[in-house]
Amino acid sequence: DAKTTQPTSMDCAEGRAANLPCNHSTISGNEYVYWYRQIHSQGPQYIIHGLKNNETNEMASLIITEDRKSSTLILPHATLRDTAVYYCHHNDYKLSFGAGTTVTVRA
Amino acid sequence: NAGVTQTPKFQVLKTGQSMTLQCAQDMNHNSMYWYRQDPGMGLRLIYYSASEGTTDKGEVPNGYNVSRLNKREFSLRLESAAPSQTSVYFCASRDPGQLGAKNIQYFGAGTRLSVL
Repeated sequence: DAKTTQPTSMDCAEGRAANLPCNHSTISGNEYVYWYRQIHSQGPQYIIHGLKNNETNEMASLIITEDRKSSTLILPHATLRDTAVYYCHHNDYKLSFGAGTTVTVRA
Repeated sequence: NAGVTQTPKFQVLKTGQSMTLQCAQDMNHNSMYWYRQDPGMGLRLIYYSASEGTTDKGEVPNGYNVSRLNKREFSLRLESAAPSQTSVYFCASRDPGQLGAKNIQYFGAGTRLSVL
């Protein structure tokens, strides 16, 4: 089964960049990396995805290592509303989620 | 756009009672999923349906049954509820397309279930 490893928790100061790592050493060559976040026990929401190139959208940036075994989600200017649990995964069919990283943005 | 709609939002059951959680999506997605989330934990897959007419077990299927009624609807049934099934249940859908293509999952707001 595909497995990802993320730190359990992370604190970040408001206005600073938050860098969230994820290890996905079992990823296969054609699997994308996806990032989601879950705020206050709402349903998770999609943030960004990538295959091997770095990606950026209005919410975040995604940096994927050349060997594709890990990636980093970057929230460039964290706000209090970015406090959430962040999940990465890459399993294409069963799409289970690990425990994710609880990010707390502090004023 | 409604997206993924789950009903009910809250439910309290007594041990041994049965109930069905409903999920419907209006995005014409082929695949649908049921997850449970316990306090402080990630989402664990209960069952999924890769396409209309098919269902498969996920990580934690025991105590649950599912029905893919049509392309829009995917229901989760608890035949004899147990306190261990107290959890938040999320339904999700996506359109896998080709392997590796952009295929975002969309989640419902969840059903908060307590079994006493």
